Amino acid sequence: DSGVTQTPKHLITATGQRVTLRCSPRSGDLSVYWYQQSLDQGLQFLIHYYNGEERAKGNILERFSAQQFPDLHSELNLSSLELGDSALYFCASSVTETGGSGANVLTFGAGSRLTVL
Amino acid sequence: GEDVEQSLFLSVREGDSSVINCTYTDSSSTYLYWYKQEPGAGLQLLTYIFSNMDMKQDQRLTVLLNKKDKHLSLRIADTQTGDSAIYFCAETNSGYSTLTFGKGTMLLVSP
Repeated sequence: DSGVTQTPKHLITATGQRVTLRCSPRSGDLSVYWYQQSLDQGLQFLIHYYNGEERAKGNILERFSAQQFPDLHSELNLSSLELGDSALYFCASSVTETGGSGANVLTFGAGSRLTVL
Repeated sequence: GEDVEQSLFLSVREGDSSVINCTYTDSSSTYLYWYKQEPGAGLQLLTYIFSNMDMKQDQRLTVLLNKKDKHLSLRIADTQTGDSAIYFCAETNSGYSTLTFGKGTMLLVSP
């Protein structure tokens, strides 16, 4: 157990629907990152939050949004789902906001597998 | 933008050494990482190296960094069947925290 909890583990839904993926970071970690893993694109960075504030955006579609709450858990909302959104969505957490003078060690959750039919 | 490339597949026999290679394009990369993903699991950090180092050894793992060629390798000595997994190379650049990952190398270890 990495200490990063993601729910649900599996989710099957239909095109056009909306889903919410949840992540609880490791205790003491203030940063939460969301990544999408698909066979063709590999691991794509979506978005980074630090202590409730958005810090960086990657290849996140406008149909997707995220937030980090005061208790530091984060949610990734995916709407108007398309077949191509089927993927494994990972949350990762770390202590730091930026790498600073040290490595930015990310701890990953087990992922949420989304299947859009 | 940053790009990290890896070969997709490597097959070795148990007891042999495995070498997984990675190239990156961002010359300002400060840290380079190796993560391991087992089936049905998230990514697990194996090791990382600071860009001013050439080599880092950690038990069976040896990381070599050629900064001039932007080439990183991970050597696993005495590879075991339990090492079968996908291995990801990643990098961060100075002052920016997001890790950019390669697409992963699937290592298959046969008995």
